[in-house]
This record gives sequence, structure tokens and C-alpha cells, in this order.
Amino acid sequence: EDQVTQSPEALRLQEGESSSLNCSYTVSGLRGLFWYRQDPGKGPEFLFTLYSAGEEKEKERLKATLTKKESFLHITAPKPEDSATYLCAVQGEPGNTGKLIFGQGTTLQVKP
Amino acid sequence: SQTIHQWPATLVQPVGSPLSLECTVEGTSNPNLYWYRQAAGRGLQLLFYSVGIGQISSEVPQNLSASRPQDRQFILSSKKLLLSDSGFYLCAWSPRGGTDTQYFGPGTRLTVL
Repeated sequence: EDQVTQSPEALRLQEGESSSLNCSYTVSGLRGLFWYRQDPGKGPEFLFTLYSAGEEKEKERLKATLTKKESFLHITAPKPEDSATYLCAVQGEPGNTGKLIFGQGTTLQVKP
Repeated sequence: SQTIHQWPATLVQPVGSPLSLECTVEGTSNPNLYWYRQAAGRGLQLLFYSVGIGQISSEVPQNLSASRPQDRQFILSSKKLLLSDSGFYLCAWSPRGGTDTQYFGPGTRLTVL
């Protein structure tokens, strides 16, 4: 059964204190791994899609990496506006349904 | 650019009442459309997906149903709401034949009392 586990559940950082969020996955044939940011009461906002082990993508202070078993979302010198819940999802083969399997998310709080 | 709308934004309904949530997408044609539910403290769960008008697939058996009367319109319905239907309902779209990335709408907060 496809499964996604995110850790930690919650993370508190001081502004400027870099850290990483983990997403471990089990999927029968990875079609894609997705990172989203979700603010309270809002829909998830797309951040990155990763397709194969070794792939990396960056956006401002965020960098996502992918291995065969997990993905990391690295946050460099975070700011208070980076506070949000970060969701990881995977899509396995066959991909005709487009079904995403989501983790529970990591809630990040960045204090000034 | 593409935009996805959902309404209403919030809804409070009594148990046993009907439900209709609407989702529309602008700026694209023939999108794949999805309905997810996010319960408090839980991850997103796929409820329905559609690859075309009138084509609906259900992922989870329940008292909800979905319809796609137009290419860019997706509706989530129920004849009689249960307490357990409370949650945050999200509509998403992905391009047909393109990347598998799904883009989410702003969501509808449903409270069943």
C-alpha cells in the first residue's frame, strides 16, 4: 500500500535558523513527489514536483531533494512568513487516476 | 493564467440536509478535476476524480457524489449530510496530458451540526 510519512509533525525555528523537513514514502513505482505549502484556512499552494532520485529543485529559501525512499525540504535562513504547514504527496504507477497520497504535514513556526 | 474557484467558502448545515459545493476552473481546457477532503488533524483524502464531462470515479464509498456537467465545472453533492461529513473540501485540477501536478482551490469549510 502506498504510504507517506512526514516528520517532524511540528517544528519551531528562530528566524535565520536553517533546518530540514522529512518525507518518507513507500510507493509502487514513483511517478512524482510533490511539495505543497498550506496556510491556515487556505488551499495547498504548489511548491515543487520531483520525478527521480537525485533531483533537486529550489525556490527562494526552499530546496527540495529526492532519494529512492525519502524527500527533504531544506529551509535556509527562514523568515516568519515561511510559517505554514508543508505537505508532501506521492503519485505512484499507474498514474491514470492522478491520485495523490498525502502525508500528515509538518507545521513550521518561525519566530522573529 | 489558470484560476480555480470554489464556493461557498464556508457552510454550516444541519444533519440530514442536502449539500452542493461547486468548483470551476478558468484559463484551461479539458482539465482533470479532483475533490479532496481534509479532516481536522488528518491528511488530504481523495474523494472523486474526473477526466472528462460526465466521467466520475469514486475513491471512497460514502454518501457523497460528484458530477461534471461542463468541462470546467465540478460539483460535490449529498442528499443527506452526516456529522462525519464535516471538514475542509478542496477542489484541484491538473492539465490533461501535461504534468501530473495538481493545483488546489481555496477550499470550502463545511460544518455539519
